Amino acid sequence: QVVLTQSPSASASLGASVKLTCTLDSEHSIYSIAWHQRQPERGPHFLMKLNSDGTHIKGDGIPDRFSGSSSGAERYLTISSLQSDDEADYFCQTWHTGIRVFGSGTKLTVL
Amino acid sequence: QVQLQESGPGLVKSSGTLSLTCAVSGASVNNNNWWGWVRQPPGKGLEWIGDIYHSGSANYSPSLKSRVIISVDNSRNQFSLNLNSVTAADTAVYYCARVSSGGYYDYWGQGTLVTVSS
Repeated sequence: QVVLTQSPSASASLGASVKLTCTLDSEHSIYSIAWHQRQPERGPHFLMKLNSDGTHIKGDGIPDRFSGSSSGAERYLTISSLQSDDEADYFCQTWHTGIRVFGSGTKLTVL
Repeated sequence: QVQLQESGPGLVKSSGTLSLTCAVSGASVNNNNWWGWVRQPPGKGLEWIGDIYHSGSANYSPSLKSRVIISVDNSRNQFSLNLNSVTAADTAVYYCARVSSGGYYDYWGQGTLVTVSS
């Protein structure tokens, strides 16, 4: 069973940058993941697919402020020039033999 | 633009069956995508329920497999979720979504809250 681990919360100031982390368990450390954003009172929105080598494919209309990178079993989502509507839940997702797994999500607060 | 919209009762009695439908526009459920259901109980994280292909082939979460049926209606371009023997633990926002060719969900519905009452 694939396990994805995320910190429950993060915060950063308006205009600053923040780096969120999603960690794969050691047995599945080379897996790709997807990052999704869920703003309050809205459905989730796909941000990007992120591979173990750091390459990523973004969803439609996702601005350059959102970028992804990888190191070992860790997958990162960096949001630069934070805006107020970046305040949201961010969760990662992966897939294995038809089974889909989610991280518990990180609630980002923009100060 | 692909759009998904969940619909169904917002209140279901305990021990009853939860039934939801996801209407798809901007894409055909009869193409080479899987289509899925995900839920989020209050105060908790996202939980995968299952996915279905236009052929009717489905994958389910092991923890819900005994109570779930996902079906697809190609003629109406929609797919549905049925979850039986519900309890308060099944109270959640339910989302439908499309699985991309890469294996991740790339389009999501807005979600619908289903409350299980005793």
